[in-house]
Amino acid sequence: DIQVTQSPSSLSASVGDTVTISCRTSQTINNYLNWYQQKPGKAPELLVFPASSLQSGVPSRFSGSGSGTDFSLTISSLQPEDFATYYCQQSYSAPTTFGQGTRLEIK
Amino acid sequence: QLQLQESGPGLVKPSDTPSLTCTVSGASISGSSYYWAWIRQSPGKGLEWIGSVFFSGSTYYNPSLKSRVTISVDTSRNEFSLKLRSVTAADTAVYYCARQLGTVVANFDYWGQGTLVTVSS
Repeated sequence: DIQVTQSPSSLSASVGDTVTISCRTSQTINNYLNWYQQKPGKAPELLVFPASSLQSGVPSRFSGSGSGTDFSLTISSLQPEDFATYYCQQSYSAPTTFGQGTRLEIK
Repeated sequence: QLQLQESGPGLVKPSDTPSLTCTVSGASISGSSYYWAWIRQSPGKGLEWIGSVFFSGSTYYNPSLKSRVTISVDTSRNEFSLKLRSVTAADTAVYYCARQLGTVVANFDYWGQGTLVTVSS
């Protein structure tokens, strides 16, 4: 299975800040990398796929980049509703696998 | 608006074989070219894809769970189900159903709210 490693595991930031979350895979996956946002008690929601295209309805302050084995999700001008946990997922090779998550907290 | 809703037994005993059902509304399972998936989330293992099913009944599973999992579809009821055999405490998790955008591997664009399955004697 392809291992997916996110960093950092947690992050503190303030409203208005710009943050970047990283995701690294154990082998190249071209650009088959997806990002999800999960709020407490809710299911994950698809934000970005593959690698850089925003899901319909996702604000433009979210952006994804990367290819090969290194990817990142950047959130510009953080809003209060952005504080959540973020997961990446590789959809290149079965079985699909997820990162362990990055918890974004308010400073 | 597509909606998915899981239902399940909640609390089960070790060695049980619980069944979970995902009821789909707002779209026909058999009228689309999507796969439908089960994914679980536990504090210890994070998000884990369990398996997926097509409306034809074609399935594929995570090799780590394949020996204990059966996923089936009932197009007449517009729902699909998961059976997990011989559960242990390690199977305690929130189980989600989701629509899968693609075939063998893909992302998941619609999710149910999740149902907690707790394995305890």
